[in-house]
Amino acid sequence: DGGITQSPKYLFRKEGQNVTLSCEQNLNHDAMYWYRQDPGQGLRLIYYSQIVNDFQKGDIAEGYSVSREKKESFPLTVTSAQKNPTAFYLCASRTGSRTEAFFGQGTRLTVV
Amino acid sequence: DQQVKQNSPSLSVQEGRISILNCDYTNSMFDYFLWYKKYPAEGPTFLISISSIKDKNEDGRFTVFLNKSAKHLSLHIVPSQPGDSAVYFCAASETGGSEKLVFGKGTKLTVNP
Repeated sequence: DGGITQSPKYLFRKEGQNVTLSCEQNLNHDAMYWYRQDPGQGLRLIYYSQIVNDFQKGDIAEGYSVSREKKESFPLTVTSAQKNPTAFYLCASRTGSRTEAFFGQGTRLTVV
Repeated sequence: DQQVKQNSPSLSVQEGRISILNCDYTNSMFDYFLWYKKYPAEGPTFLISISSIKDKNEDGRFTVFLNKSAKHLSLHIVPSQPGDSAVYFCAASETGGSEKLVFGKGTKLTVNP
């Protein structure tokens, strides 16, 4: 079955540590996205990528980094510079700008 | 600055009645709009979309209306069912270069039996 997979579902890290969230898709989609959801804040765009080896900052990119070395994969690193990393992170992908995006099931990151 | 706004955090309706969820946008370059439904701790699921060349798109109980001059769109659910209770997100996208996809803050819909 085609889909988009985020792992792990729950992640705990100590303050000051970097952590990488995985996102893999087998839908052959060109564009991939990372969002963060906080209570009352909706889905805020962190980074997005239109094509392999290229990505753009979203609205809240500070403290995050990404890579897009393969079409199928778009990992997100939450660095120690991110002031409030505890959140629900969602990855999405889509074919192009006039199509719907498909989402993974999310990763709940808790930093203690 | 928020480019997609959903000004009603919550909406409560009776089963069988119409639910109307509203969304406003500020970026005139947006030309493709989508609605998603989301349950807690899950990824959003796509409901319906509309291109800026249309003013209405219908899919079963769901209809989306677009008013370009007002930069406003709405999602109508008729008839509303208890299973429709969820958070609904409006999203907007530019075509012709940027693949940026921006979401609103969501509206929590509760359909009472």
